[in-house]
Amino acid sequence: QSVLTQPPSASGTPGQRVTISCSGSSSSIGSNTVNWYQLLPGTAPKLLIYSTDQRPSGVPDRFSGSKSGTSASLAISRLQSADEAEYYCAAWDDRLNGRWVFGGGTKLTVL
Amino acid sequence: EVQLVQSGAEEKKAGESLRISCKGSGYSFISYWITWVRHMPGKGLEWMGQIDPSDSYTNYSPSFQGHVTISAAKSISTAYLQWSSLMASDTAIYYCARHRSRNSLFQHWGQGTLVTVSS
Repeated sequence: QSVLTQPPSASGTPGQRVTISCSGSSSSIGSNTVNWYQLLPGTAPKLLIYSTDQRPSGVPDRFSGSKSGTSASLAISRLQSADEAEYYCAAWDDRLNGRWVFGGGTKLTVL
Repeated sequence: EVQLVQSGAEEKKAGESLRISCKGSGYSFISYWITWVRHMPGKGLEWMGQIDPSDSYTNYSPSFQGHVTISAAKSISTAYLQWSSLMASDTAIYYCARHRSRNSLFQHWGQGTLVTVSS
């Protein structure tokens, strides 16, 4: 069972906006920023959003991130078929000696 | 160009030992931490642990502590993930990633190493 909770699946049609949630705790999302990674089949994870709402160079502005309390969200607008992938949230957890925690991943299907 | 190049796929039997590697290039290897992440078939990403190559300080996830060993050879800019006794449940893709400090983002990733363990 993952420390961060994500819905296992999400879907949308091309052009739509979808949101993926990520729920944590006071020691993880409540105290630290959130990163989002995109995992396409057969490829390494790609950093999509860092520091909760920042996009690395090259990531389209269709992708955006936000956080409120102990939950975070990834929004994808103007959905494209190429967005079909698994999405993972991650945050540093301050408990014990500190550790990274991931969500269980959300499989996004573009219908 | 920053690159993390991992060693090739491995097929092992349960009980055997294994060490896989992650070689960094295009940057100062000792200036960035290396993290290892497991991706089991049909499952999510799991953080296994991290190492600071400058002094080999390690920090493990409680889920992996005692089952794997993370090390680094800074002279050859290479980090390692090692098992002394593999189990079938270790079958997974293992990724390395670099980050500036222990709690900073993973921007660059290795291509992944598939480890298959048969019982």
